[in-house]
This record gives sequence, structure tokens and C-alpha cells, in this order.
Amino acid sequence: TQLLEQSPQFLSIQEGENLTVYCNSSSVFSSLQWYRQEPGEGPVLLVTVVTGGEVKKLKRLTFQFGDARKDSSLHITAAQPGDTGLYLCAGAGTGYALNFGKGTSLLVTP
Amino acid sequence: DADVTQTPRNRITKTGKRIMLECSQTKGHDRMYWYRQDPGLGLQLIYYSFDVKDINKGEISDGYSVSRQAQAKFSLSLESAIPNQTALYFCATSEGQGTEAFFGQGTRLTVV
Repeated sequence: TQLLEQSPQFLSIQEGENLTVYCNSSSVFSSLQWYRQEPGEGPVLLVTVVTGGEVKKLKRLTFQFGDARKDSSLHITAAQPGDTGLYLCAGAGTGYALNFGKGTSLLVTP
Repeated sequence: DADVTQTPRNRITKTGKRIMLECSQTKGHDRMYWYRQDPGLGLQLIYYSFDVKDINKGEISDGYSVSRQAQAKFSLSLESAIPNQTALYFCATSEGQGTEAFFGQGTRLTVV
């Protein structure tokens, strides 16, 4: 099993603040994915990063893949209450199934 | 209709009972997965299947078994349910390595 560690586990911030969530592993991944899960629903893909050093932006969300393809970060600018949810990173080495981190539970209050 | 459908959505069962959770998909994907989610523990992989003839154990397969009846169907069984198997169970599919995983809406299982 290729372990993915996410930090922080919980984050409670006010609307308008910035935040960064981290996903780290000792394993090299061919790609990493970030998902968002809302209560009562399955996770939904936000982005896939493939190339070491890659940066992808999705509106106020910025995703970065580490140069060595072992870690990734998610930065949210000016968080809004609609960003509230569980953020999960996931990765799979060649021939392996998709493994998930434990997730970061984000609460954004007005 | 949903691309990945899980049945039942909710189930309460007694300790020692056998229970089957079913999953069907219309995505045409070869890869299917079963995950368990507990508060604070993210998604833990129970079993996965890369095609109809391929079944693999995940990190927490003890107490569970699976059957891949067809490309579109992947069922999870608890032969003798125990209370610590109370959790939210998700089925997912993907097309291939590193591709997007599509999840069902989950089955909330309670073992009393």
C-alpha cells in the first residue's frame, strides 16, 4: 500500500482567508488526484496532476505537484462557505489501485 | 440515471448476518473498487478489480469478500457482520491508471 498523509486533518477558517492543504508520501506517483466530498455524497474529482512541478488552477484553487512526484498541495484563495467539505488526495503507482489520504475537513464560516 | 449505482443506500443488520452490497456501473470501465469510510479515516480500500477475471485484496479485506459478476457489476459481501463493520461503503470505477474515479452515492451500513 502506498500511503498518503494529509495535513491538516481539520481546518476551520473565516470567509476570505487563504489556506493550504498538503498531501505527502514516501512513494513516487505517476499522478495525483484531488477530490472533494460533501456530506452524504461520494467524492468528486477536482484535478489530476501528472508532471513533477506542475501547477494547475481551478478558479480560486491552485494545485501543485512536487518536483519528485511524491507530494502535492492545494491552496485556496479567499475561501468561501461553498468551499466547505472534505478534501482528499489520491494516488496510484503503476499496477496499483487508487489509494486515498485520510482527508482534510474544511469549514469556512461567513 | 447515475453512472455508478449502489444498493441498498442504507441498511441495518444484526451481528452474524450475511449481507451483500451491490454496485453497478454504466461507464463501461474495467476497473472497479470498494472503499470503506469511517470518520477521520478517509477512504480505505477493501477490494479492487482491474477486469472481470482479476480480483485483488486491498488494505482492509479481512471479513469481506467480493464477486465480479460482469464488467458492470461488482458486489461486496460481509459473511458474518460485526459491529465494527458499521461504516459508509463506496463503490467506484475508473477507466485506467491515473484516470478519474467515479463514485456511487454510498451505502450506510449499521451492524447492531
